Amino acid sequence: AQSVTQLGSHVSVSEGALVLLRCNYSSSVPPYLFWYVQYPNQGLQLLLKYTTGATLVKGINGFEAEFKKSETSFHLTKPSAHMSDAAEYFCAVSGGWDDKIIFGKGTRLHILP
Amino acid sequence: NAGVTQTPKFQVLKTGQSMTLQCAQDMNHNSMYWYRQDPGMGLRLIYYSASEGTTDKGEVPNGYNVSRLNKREFSLRLESAAPSQTSVYFCASSGGGTTLVYYEQYFGPGTRLTVT
Repeated sequence: AQSVTQLGSHVSVSEGALVLLRCNYSSSVPPYLFWYVQYPNQGLQLLLKYTTGATLVKGINGFEAEFKKSETSFHLTKPSAHMSDAAEYFCAVSGGWDDKIIFGKGTRLHILP
Repeated sequence: NAGVTQTPKFQVLKTGQSMTLQCAQDMNHNSMYWYRQDPGMGLRLIYYSASEGTTDKGEVPNGYNVSRLNKREFSLRLESAAPSQTSVYFCASSGGGTTLVYYEQYFGPGTRLTVT
């Protein structure tokens, strides 16, 4: 079985500052890991994913995440926040290509001018 | 490609009324899903269909029924709406097809449902 914990339901950062959104997972099998973004009044859009191979994965809009098996973490980072990054971010885990995806409860990112 | 489409975008129901939320995808995906999103709860899976002709319960199926009409379409029905079903409903699909990727889910824009 898989589960996801996102630390912090709300995170505020200043424009230009580092963005760090934390995600820890639990999985009984090698996990597939995802970050999705949801802009206001829209559906979810895939930011990036880890399946196998390189543990540092790059996504759209300058975001990246690193899979750390020893820490069961998949934190999302961006070096310099932009106002347009204000959205809700969901970490998710799956047990494999044919398994259901389990979503975290989400972290709302606020960007301060 | 339109991707995943949902109708209606907004709906207000009175307690006890019924309605069907429609979802269609044009990516030839095998699997389709219905989620509900509530503040602070993330996305919770209501029902899913791993392939045409099959449906299975998710985490919160009570009060809902689904139909996988064909490979493209997956509908969600509320037989007797309750205020607790006020939520935003998302349909998603995954599984090969034109996207060539089996594990990613593609989401529709959502239906905002209010039950009074």
